[in-house]
Amino acid sequence: KQEVTQIPAALSVPEGENLVLNCSFTDSAIYNLQWFRQDPGKGLTSLLLIQSSQREQTSGRLNASLDKSSGRSTLYIAASQPGDSATYLCAVANAGGTSYGKLTFGQGTILTVHP
Amino acid sequence: SQTIHQWPATLVQPVGSPLSLECTVEGTSNPNLYWYRQAAGRGLQLLFYSVGIGQISSEVPQNLSASRPQDRQFILSSKKLLLSDSGFYLCAWNPGLRRTDTQYFGPGTRLTVL
Repeated sequence: KQEVTQIPAALSVPEGENLVLNCSFTDSAIYNLQWFRQDPGKGLTSLLLIQSSQREQTSGRLNASLDKSSGRSTLYIAASQPGDSATYLCAVANAGGTSYGKLTFGQGTILTVHP
Repeated sequence: SQTIHQWPATLVQPVGSPLSLECTVEGTSNPNLYWYRQAAGRGLQLLFYSVGIGQISSEVPQNLSASRPQDRQFILSSKKLLLSDSGFYLCAWNPGLRRTDTQYFGPGTRLTVL
């Protein structure tokens, strides 16, 4: 059974800092790994998707890496801003004949960026 | 472009009452559809998924059920709610053409069972 772990559970940083969020998964048989953002009381917004054959993806100030063999991914946020404050969720799409793109989520990292 | 709707946005129900949450997707056809629950202090848990009309797969045994009466409509139901059914319910879809597609999430329904 796939298990996804995110570290740290919470992070508080001053504005302008670069930061790294970590995600690990137990089963390397995945189609892809996704990073989502969730604002309080809201749905999830997809930030980055890394296919299993890829090593990293970038979007603006965000960079996500994937090391499938070791079961790890990191989300790097450059020059953090107060608007980046949210919960960040990592999810893997499990491979297999009947997976149908089902996602297994980590518990999330609550990020607070203070001015 | 595609959009996903969920209603109601919030719901407060007594224990033992029935439940019906609705999710609809616009701008696509034959999507894969998913119901997730996010309980307080817990991560997102997949409850049901559907790859076509009338095709429902359950991931977790519980007193909830799901139905897909139309291609882009996904309904989550219960005959009698329990306190433990409280949580944030999210519907999601992906194009279903490739298993490597991203999932797109709706705005969610906050359910409180009293």
